[in-house]
Amino acid sequence: AQKVTQAQTEISVVEKEDVTLDCVYETRDTTYYLFWYKQPPSGELVFLIRRNSFDEQNEISGRYSWNFQKSTSSFNFTITASQVVDSAVYFCALSVYYRDDKIIFGKGTRLHILP
Amino acid sequence: DGGITQSPKYLFRKEGQNVTLSCEQNLNHDAMYWYRQDPGQGLRLIYYSQIVNDFQKGDIAEGYSVSREKKESFPLTVTSAQKNPTAFYLCASRGQPQETQYFGPGTRLLVL
Repeated sequence: AQKVTQAQTEISVVEKEDVTLDCVYETRDTTYYLFWYKQPPSGELVFLIRRNSFDEQNEISGRYSWNFQKSTSSFNFTITASQVVDSAVYFCALSVYYRDDKIIFGKGTRLHILP
Repeated sequence: DGGITQSPKYLFRKEGQNVTLSCEQNLNHDAMYWYRQDPGQGLRLIYYSQIVNDFQKGDIAEGYSVSREKKESFPLTVTSAQKNPTAFYLCASRGQPQETQYFGPGTRLLVL
């Protein structure tokens, strides 16, 4: 069975600090996708990144970066120089697309950026 | 603009009433999904459809029904059999298999 664990339920940091959101996943499959979504107070889920299990390269997009490590089954998300607009709930998710057409979501981490 | 729309934004249901949530997409996506989100929880899959006139139950289908008569539309009916319907409902769609799911703005359902 697949599972996604986001152990941090809620995090608060002061603006301009760096913050890392942890994600640990479980799957016996070797081919899968990992995702991060952002849910601002408006409620809509905004897609941030998708990573194929065969691509362990870290990714950087502006202030956002992702660290994918298959050895520890982790796909952590770091926000550098956080801003108040980064305040949201962040979801990590896993999909084994060839097994079924589903995405398994973690329970999310609520991030508060304090001015 | 291409995207996914959900209506209404807020919906109120009386006891014993069926209500229908709308989801429309103009992205020409094949697959569509309905999720339920409860406070402090992740998303749980209710139903999904990979092709017109076909759909599958997700993890929490009891008390819900769907139809997929058109590629663009995937309405969700919350029936009176759903005893705890208060939640935030999100619709999503994706193009080809392996592609990312994109989400609509959601509908918040409240029971009067």
